[in-house]
Order: sequence, then C-alpha cells, then structure tokens
Amino acid sequence: AQTVTQSQPEMSVQEAETVTLSCTYDTSESNYYLFWYKQPPSRQMILVIRQEAYKQQNATENRFSVNFQKAAKSFSLKISDSQLGDTAMYFCAFMTWYNNNDMRFGAGTRLTVKP
Amino acid sequence: EAQVTQNPRYLITVTGKKLTVTCSQNMNHEYMSWYRQDPGLGLRQIYYSMNVEVTDKGDVPEGYKVSRKEKRNFPLILESPSPNQTSLYFCASSLGVQTGELFFGEGSRLTVL
Repeated sequence: AQTVTQSQPEMSVQEAETVTLSCTYDTSESNYYLFWYKQPPSRQMILVIRQEAYKQQNATENRFSVNFQKAAKSFSLKISDSQLGDTAMYFCAFMTWYNNNDMRFGAGTRLTVKP
Repeated sequence: EAQVTQNPRYLITVTGKKLTVTCSQNMNHEYMSWYRQDPGLGLRQIYYSMNVEVTDKGDVPEGYKVSRKEKRNFPLILESPSPNQTSLYFCASSLGVQTGELFFGEGSRLTVL
C-alpha cells in the first residue's frame, strides 16, 4: 500500500521569504502522480501543483515549485516570495497511474506566513 | 461551471439519528469517492464508486453506507452516527482514466453529540 509522510506538522515563514515543505512517500509503482493541495480556512481543497512521475522536469506554478526525487521518493514544495494568503494547511498526496479514484494523503503541514 | 456540490455544509446532530450527506457532480465523471479529514491524519477514503451501481470500501468504511443509483449522485449515509464520526467530509470525482485529476467538493463539517 502507498503511504505519504509529511514530517513537519507546523511551519512558519516571514512574508516575502522562501519556505520548503517536505514530503516523502512509499510505493512499489513506477507510474503515478504526486500533488500538493492547499487548504485555507475556507476548508476548500485547492490544487497547487501536480507532478507526473515519468517526467524528470520539476513542475512549477508561478511562485510554487517542487523538488521531485523519484529514487529517494521525495516530493518537496518550495514557496517563493511568501504571501499572507499562503497561510493554510498543505497536503501532499499520491495517486496511482491506473486508479484516479484513490488518492493517498499525508497528515498535512500547517503553514503560517507572518507579516 | 464544473463542480462537485455537497450538502449540508455544516450539521450538528445527535448520536443515533440517521443522516445523509448528498454529493452531486455535473462533469459526467465515472469515479466518485468520499473522504474524511481528521487532525493529524490527513484525508482518508471512506468509500468509492467506479460507476453506477458499483461501490467499494475504502480505508475507513465502518459506520457508513453509500449508493450510486445515478452517475451524478453519490450520497454518504450514516445510519447511526456516533461521536467518532465527527469530522470534515469531502466528496470527490474524477474521469476515472489516467488524467491525474480529482475534483473536490467544498466539504461538510459534521458534529455528532
């Protein structure tokens, strides 16, 4: 079974600085997707970034980028130029290639951006 | 607008009083699923459905029932709610093929007293 581990329950960062959230996962699959979701106080699950395991290039979305290390089974999220609106719970998630119905989540990291 | 709609968004109930959380999607997705979110545990899958009349247990199915009579609807039923089912619930849907996309509803906060 696939598992996802986020070892940082809480983190904080000063506005405009850079922060990195860690995520490791365990799987025997070779094809899969990895995700970072943001959950603000509104509770909505917002997709931040997605990575296909077969792609070597790290995904980027504006101020958000990932460091995907397939051999190490590591998938960290870097937030550059942190903004107050980035304050939220962040979940790392894993989905197998063949079953888009079963997403596995980490426990989450609560990020606070301080002014 | 493509969306997954859950109702109610908030509910306080008492132990043993049957309740249903509805979920509807307008994207013609085949796959639908229910998750519960608890502090320190992330989201865990309760039940999923790969098509009409096809449902299966996820990781934490105890105390829940589901049905999939129509493609767009996937209600979650708590026949006899207990306090340990107090949680935040999410419905989600996907095309069911290799798109790597899962669409979430806005969540339903359930409190069982």
